[in-house]
Amino acid sequence: GQQLNQSPQSMFIQEGEDVSMNCTSSSIFNTWLWYKQDPGEGPVLLIALYKAGELTSNGRLTAQFGITRKDSFLNISASIPSDVGIYFCHPSDSNSGYALNFGKGTSLLVTP
Amino acid sequence: DTAVSQTPKYLVTQMGNDKSIKCEQNLGHDTMYWYKQDSKKFLKIMFSYNNKELIINETVPNRFSPKSPDKAHLNLHINSLELGDSAVYFCASSHPAPAYGYTFGSGTRLTVV
Repeated sequence: GQQLNQSPQSMFIQEGEDVSMNCTSSSIFNTWLWYKQDPGEGPVLLIALYKAGELTSNGRLTAQFGITRKDSFLNISASIPSDVGIYFCHPSDSNSGYALNFGKGTSLLVTP
Repeated sequence: DTAVSQTPKYLVTQMGNDKSIKCEQNLGHDTMYWYKQDSKKFLKIMFSYNNKELIINETVPNRFSPKSPDKAHLNLHINSLELGDSAVYFCASSHPAPAYGYTFGSGTRLTVV
């Protein structure tokens, strides 16, 4: 079956540091989405990627869709305490509309 | 106005009971989902409905039964609750496919004692 790996599992960093996390899959997808979950809330969409090689920014966040279509990364620059949360990748195939499971999440802790 | 609302927010119940979680979305989305998030924070798809029709039914016990009276509502009924059912359950919606992004509810924390 399809395998989806997200790493790192957790990160503990100081405010101001840059953060990088990634997801890799055994399958090819045509969409990669990144979500953030604050404690006690549901995940919220951060960035959507629809083309292989695409690089997209949203404020301090930057995400890229790997050219092999099997991976994606998310970078956060100059982290701040409100970046704390769990970050999930979610690949899918917009042609089939099949809802695949999310990556296992990267838990980010930021100390002032 | 809350886009995707779930009730209740917290649910504590005894083993063997039957309970329901309700979900409503006011976004006009065609597709709704139920996800289960366990203690390790893994998000697993349980069900997906498109315009009131079941399109995904992952391997979940048949004690779990989704019901969609209309495309704005997707409720989850659970029979004979077990300790292992304790988790946070999220409802979500998307239009027209997950590739366009989900809008999640704030979750229902189910604790079975």
